[in-house]
Amino acid sequence: AQTVTQSQPEMSVQEAETVTLSCTYDTSESDYYLFWYKQPPSRQMILVIRQEAYKQQNATENRFSVNFQKAAKSFSLKISDSQLGDAAMYFCVFQGGSEKLVFGKGTKLTVNP
Amino acid sequence: GAVVSQHPSWVICKSGTSVKIECRSLDFQATTMFWYRQFPKQSLMLMATSNEGSKATYEQGVEKDKFLINHASLTLSTLTVTSAHPEDSSFYICSARTSGGLAYTYEQYFGPGTRLTVT
Repeated sequence: AQTVTQSQPEMSVQEAETVTLSCTYDTSESDYYLFWYKQPPSRQMILVIRQEAYKQQNATENRFSVNFQKAAKSFSLKISDSQLGDAAMYFCVFQGGSEKLVFGKGTKLTVNP
Repeated sequence: GAVVSQHPSWVICKSGTSVKIECRSLDFQATTMFWYRQFPKQSLMLMATSNEGSKATYEQGVEKDKFLINHASLTLSTLTVTSAHPEDSSFYICSARTSGGLAYTYEQYFGPGTRLTVT
Protein backbone atom coordinates (compact mmCIF):
# COMPACT_ATOMS: atom_id res chain seq x y z
CA ALA A 1 0.00 0.00 0.00
CA GLN A 2 1.10 3.50 -0.72
CA THR A 3 2.11 5.79 2.11
CA VAL A 4 2.79 9.49 2.24
CA THR A 5 4.93 11.01 4.95
CA GLN A 6 5.09 14.64 5.90
CA SER A 7 7.71 14.95 8.60
CA GLN A 8 6.99 18.57 9.52
CA PRO A 9 3.78 18.91 11.53
CA GLU A 10 4.23 22.68 11.68
CA MET A 11 6.27 25.27 9.84
CA SER A 12 6.45 29.02 10.01
CA VAL A 13 7.76 31.62 7.62
CA GLN A 14 8.09 35.37 7.56
CA GLU A 15 6.00 37.22 5.05
CA ALA A 16 7.84 37.63 1.72
CA GLU A 17 10.28 34.85 2.60
CA THR A 18 10.57 31.38 1.09
CA VAL A 19 9.60 28.12 2.76
CA THR A 20 9.90 24.50 1.72
CA LEU A 21 7.55 21.76 2.87
CA SER A 22 8.82 18.20 2.74
CA CYS A 23 7.07 15.07 1.57
CA THR A 24 8.18 11.54 0.89
CA TYR A 25 6.09 8.66 -0.38
CA ASP A 26 6.34 4.98 -0.94
CA THR A 27 4.92 3.11 -3.90
CA SER A 28 5.73 0.28 -6.26
CA GLU A 29 3.85 1.93 -9.11
CA SER A 30 5.70 3.69 -11.89
CA ASP A 31 2.86 5.87 -13.15
CA TYR A 32 1.16 8.13 -10.67
CA TYR A 33 0.29 11.69 -9.75
CA LEU A 34 1.37 13.79 -6.82
CA PHE A 35 -0.42 16.82 -5.50
CA TRP A 36 -0.15 19.50 -2.90
CA TYR A 37 -3.47 20.65 -1.51
CA LYS A 38 -3.99 23.46 0.95
CA GLN A 39 -6.79 23.60 3.48
CA PRO A 40 -7.29 27.08 4.95
CA PRO A 41 -9.41 27.69 8.05
CA SER A 42 -12.51 27.55 5.84
CA ARG A 43 -11.60 23.85 5.39
CA GLN A 44 -12.16 23.99 1.62
CA MET A 45 -9.53 21.84 -0.04
CA ILE A 46 -7.69 23.80 -2.71
CA LEU A 47 -5.35 22.29 -5.27
CA VAL A 48 -2.01 24.06 -5.19
CA ILE A 49 0.05 22.12 -7.68
CA ARG A 50 0.14 18.79 -9.52
CA GLN A 51 3.01 16.67 -10.80
CA GLU A 52 2.79 13.74 -13.18
CA ALA A 53 5.36 11.11 -12.37
CA TYR A 54 6.32 10.58 -16.00
CA LYS A 55 7.33 14.21 -16.36
CA GLN A 56 10.89 15.00 -15.38
CA GLN A 57 10.31 18.73 -15.31
CA ASN A 58 9.23 20.09 -11.95
CA ALA A 59 5.80 21.69 -11.90
CA THR A 60 5.45 25.38 -11.13
CA GLU A 61 2.42 27.55 -10.47
CA ASN A 62 3.32 31.18 -9.93
CA ARG A 63 4.93 31.35 -6.46
CA PHE A 64 4.60 27.60 -5.91
CA SER A 65 7.04 25.06 -7.24
CA VAL A 66 7.97 21.50 -6.48
CA ASN A 67 11.17 19.52 -6.32
CA PHE A 68 10.21 16.09 -7.59
CA GLN A 69 12.85 13.41 -7.11
CA LYS A 70 11.30 10.21 -8.44
CA ALA A 71 14.14 7.89 -7.53
CA ALA A 72 14.22 9.22 -4.00
CA LYS A 73 10.40 9.31 -3.86
CA SER A 74 10.52 12.87 -2.63
CA PHE A 75 8.10 15.67 -3.49
CA SER A 76 8.74 18.95 -1.71
CA LEU A 77 6.81 22.18 -2.12
CA LYS A 78 8.51 25.54 -2.24
CA ILE A 79 6.50 28.68 -1.59
CA SER A 80 8.26 31.87 -2.63
CA ASP A 81 7.38 35.40 -1.50
CA SER A 82 5.08 33.99 1.18
CA GLN A 83 1.86 35.85 1.76
CA LEU A 84 -0.48 35.95 4.74
CA GLY A 85 -3.07 34.14 2.65
CA ASP A 86 -0.74 31.17 2.30
CA ALA A 87 -1.34 30.27 5.93
CA ALA A 88 -3.09 26.91 5.90
CA MET A 89 -2.71 23.19 6.38
CA TYR A 90 -0.84 21.70 3.45
CA PHE A 91 -1.35 18.10 2.43
CA CYS A 92 0.91 16.08 0.19
CA VAL A 93 -1.23 13.64 -1.77
CA PHE A 94 -0.48 10.56 -3.88
CA GLN A 95 -2.73 9.13 -6.56
CA GLY A 96 -1.90 5.90 -8.32
CA GLY A 97 -3.79 3.64 -10.65
CA SER A 98 -6.57 3.00 -8.15
CA GLU A 99 -7.57 6.68 -8.38
CA LYS A 100 -7.80 6.84 -4.62
CA LEU A 101 -6.03 9.75 -3.02
CA VAL A 102 -3.58 8.95 -0.24
CA PHE A 103 -3.03 11.89 2.06
CA GLY A 104 -0.10 12.74 4.24
CA LYS A 105 -0.82 13.95 7.76
CA GLY A 106 -0.35 17.55 6.79
CA THR A 107 1.90 20.46 7.63
CA LYS A 108 0.44 23.51 9.28
CA LEU A 109 2.02 26.62 7.79
CA THR A 110 2.00 29.88 9.70
CA VAL A 111 2.96 33.10 7.94
CA ASN A 112 4.22 35.81 10.25
CA PRO A 113 3.78 39.45 9.25
CA GLY B 1 -15.59 25.61 -13.53
CA ALA B 2 -15.48 22.27 -11.69
CA VAL B 3 -17.49 23.28 -8.64
CA VAL B 4 -18.69 20.79 -6.08
CA SER B 5 -21.27 21.73 -3.48
CA GLN B 6 -22.33 20.05 -0.27
CA HIS B 7 -25.52 20.45 1.67
CA PRO B 8 -25.92 21.10 4.49
CA SER B 9 -22.74 22.84 5.53
CA TRP B 10 -23.47 22.17 9.20
CA VAL B 11 -26.01 19.86 10.79
CA ILE B 12 -26.82 19.02 14.38
CA CYS B 13 -28.84 15.91 15.07
CA LYS B 14 -29.87 13.88 18.07
CA SER B 15 -28.35 10.54 18.86
CA GLY B 16 -30.22 7.70 17.16
CA THR B 17 -31.50 9.73 14.24
CA SER B 18 -30.29 9.61 10.65
CA VAL B 19 -28.89 12.46 8.64
CA LYS B 20 -28.32 12.82 4.90
CA ILE B 21 -25.53 14.83 3.32
CA GLU B 22 -25.68 15.73 -0.36
CA CYS B 23 -22.75 16.20 -2.70
CA ARG B 24 -23.39 17.78 -6.10
CA SER B 25 -21.16 18.48 -9.06
CA LEU B 26 -22.55 21.76 -10.40
CA ASP B 27 -20.94 22.14 -13.80
CA PHE B 28 -19.67 18.73 -14.78
CA GLN B 29 -20.71 15.12 -14.72
CA ALA B 30 -19.02 13.12 -12.01
CA THR B 31 -18.70 9.45 -12.80
CA THR B 32 -16.93 8.87 -9.52
CA MET B 33 -17.38 10.53 -6.16
CA PHE B 34 -15.44 10.00 -2.99
CA TRP B 35 -16.43 10.51 0.63
CA TYR B 36 -13.88 11.45 3.27
CA ARG B 37 -13.98 11.97 6.99
CA GLN B 38 -11.75 14.42 8.76
CA PHE B 39 -11.32 14.63 12.51
CA PRO B 40 -10.09 17.91 14.05
CA LYS B 41 -6.49 18.69 13.19
CA GLN B 42 -6.13 15.42 11.30
CA SER B 43 -5.85 14.37 7.70
CA LEU B 44 -8.60 13.17 5.41
CA MET B 45 -9.58 9.54 5.62
CA LEU B 46 -11.25 7.97 2.61
CA MET B 47 -14.48 6.29 3.59
CA ALA B 48 -15.85 5.08 0.28
CA THR B 49 -15.83 5.43 -3.46
CA SER B 50 -19.08 5.67 -5.33
CA ASN B 51 -19.65 5.23 -9.03
CA GLU B 52 -22.84 6.35 -10.68
CA GLY B 53 -25.35 3.55 -10.93
CA SER B 54 -23.41 1.00 -8.92
CA LYS B 55 -22.81 0.12 -5.30
CA ALA B 56 -20.25 2.05 -3.34
CA THR B 57 -16.93 0.51 -2.43
CA TYR B 58 -16.12 1.00 1.23
CA GLU B 59 -12.69 1.21 2.78
CA GLN B 60 -11.69 -1.33 5.36
CA GLY B 61 -13.16 -0.54 8.74
CA VAL B 62 -16.00 1.62 7.46
CA GLU B 63 -19.44 0.25 8.28
CA LYS B 64 -21.44 0.20 5.07
CA ASP B 65 -24.72 -0.27 6.92
CA LYS B 66 -24.05 2.81 8.98
CA PHE B 67 -22.78 5.05 6.20
CA LEU B 68 -25.14 4.56 3.28
CA ILE B 69 -23.95 6.00 0.00
CA ASN B 70 -26.11 6.48 -3.05
CA HIS B 71 -24.78 7.82 -6.36
CA ALA B 72 -28.05 7.97 -8.24
CA SER B 73 -27.05 10.42 -10.96
CA LEU B 74 -23.95 11.85 -12.57
CA THR B 75 -24.25 15.00 -10.50
CA LEU B 76 -25.43 13.78 -7.10
CA SER B 77 -24.14 11.48 -4.42
CA THR B 78 -25.58 11.23 -0.93
CA LEU B 79 -24.14 10.00 2.34
CA THR B 80 -26.62 8.96 5.00
CA VAL B 81 -25.36 8.46 8.51
CA THR B 82 -27.85 6.06 10.07
CA SER B 83 -28.55 5.87 13.79
CA ALA B 84 -25.98 8.55 14.44
CA HIS B 85 -24.04 8.61 17.68
CA PRO B 86 -21.75 11.25 19.17
CA GLU B 87 -18.69 9.41 17.91
CA ASP B 88 -19.95 10.01 14.37
CA SER B 89 -19.48 13.74 14.89
CA SER B 90 -16.91 14.82 12.35
CA PHE B 91 -16.27 16.83 9.21
CA TYR B 92 -17.37 15.00 6.08
CA ILE B 93 -15.95 16.00 2.71
CA CYS B 94 -16.88 14.75 -0.72
CA SER B 95 -14.92 14.99 -3.92
CA ALA B 96 -15.82 14.32 -7.51
CA ARG B 97 -13.92 13.53 -10.64
CA THR B 98 -14.84 13.40 -14.24
CA SER B 99 -13.32 11.12 -16.79
CA GLY B 100 -13.04 10.61 -20.48
CA GLY B 101 -13.05 13.04 -23.37
CA LEU B 102 -10.49 15.64 -24.22
CA ALA B 103 -10.60 17.10 -20.73
CA TYR B 104 -9.62 13.88 -19.00
CA THR B 105 -7.91 14.62 -15.79
CA TYR B 106 -7.04 12.85 -12.62
CA GLU B 107 -7.92 15.89 -10.58
CA GLN B 108 -10.54 15.53 -7.91
CA TYR B 109 -12.67 18.52 -7.04
CA PHE B 110 -13.60 18.89 -3.42
CA GLY B 111 -16.78 20.07 -1.81
CA PRO B 112 -16.65 22.57 1.05
CA GLY B 113 -17.44 19.92 3.65
CA THR B 114 -20.24 19.25 6.12
CA ARG B 115 -19.80 19.52 9.86
CA LEU B 116 -21.90 16.91 11.65
CA THR B 117 -22.54 17.24 15.36
CA VAL B 118 -24.46 14.46 17.10
CA THR B 119 -25.81 15.32 20.53
